Amino acid sequence: EAQVTQNPRYLITVTGKKLTVTCSQNMNHEYMSWYRQDPGLGLRQIYYSMNVEVTDKGDVPEGYKVSRKEKRNFPLILESPSPNQTSLYFCASSLRDRDLGEQFFGPGTRLTVL
Amino acid sequence: DAKTTQPPSMDCAEGRAANLPCNHSTISGNEYVYWYRQIHSQGPQYIIHGLKNNETNEMASLIITEDRKSSTLILPHATLRDTAVYYCILRWGWVKAAGNKLTFGGGTRVLVKP
Repeated sequence: EAQVTQNPRYLITVTGKKLTVTCSQNMNHEYMSWYRQDPGLGLRQIYYSMNVEVTDKGDVPEGYKVSRKEKRNFPLILESPSPNQTSLYFCASSLRDRDLGEQFFGPGTRLTVL
Repeated sequence: DAKTTQPPSMDCAEGRAANLPCNHSTISGNEYVYWYRQIHSQGPQYIIHGLKNNETNEMASLIITEDRKSSTLILPHATLRDTAVYYCILRWGWVKAAGNKLTFGGGTRVLVKP
């Protein structure tokens, strides 16, 4: 089944404790992206990647890192999480840049930073 | 990308057609109309898109007016599982003009009632 998977789905952590949220897709998609969703603010893009080893900042990249060493994986790293990073996070992918209108989204990761 | 206007909420009866309007009076000639939906706290799901002609797939139909200033998403036989927030998004067909993300507005919160 074609899908985008994220792990963990739920995470409660404390300020400053490094964490990684994994994202994997099995559709051989070139483009991958991370969004966060907060009440009243909608979905905002954190980082995106057009292909392996090609990443770039989105609208709200502060406090986050990403890497794209393999086509299928695009982990989101929070080196020193803070409470303002409490949010619902979504990973998304699409076949290539010209197909960005049709994105497949993962199920989401709900992160709480205490 | 041009702005879209959607009603904040609407109800519809289970089994009936749900007609979701979207106004995009400043749409440009090469902007496509995309529809997504997000069931509570799940990842957004692509539904359908079109440029000028009406489109239909297994999920829905998209009707675009001749002047392209508005469109309607039709769910032919709404079920309780169609309760979600529906987003109408415009996106350029040119890759560079389109940018590297999807921009979600407020959407329409659709409640399907038994």
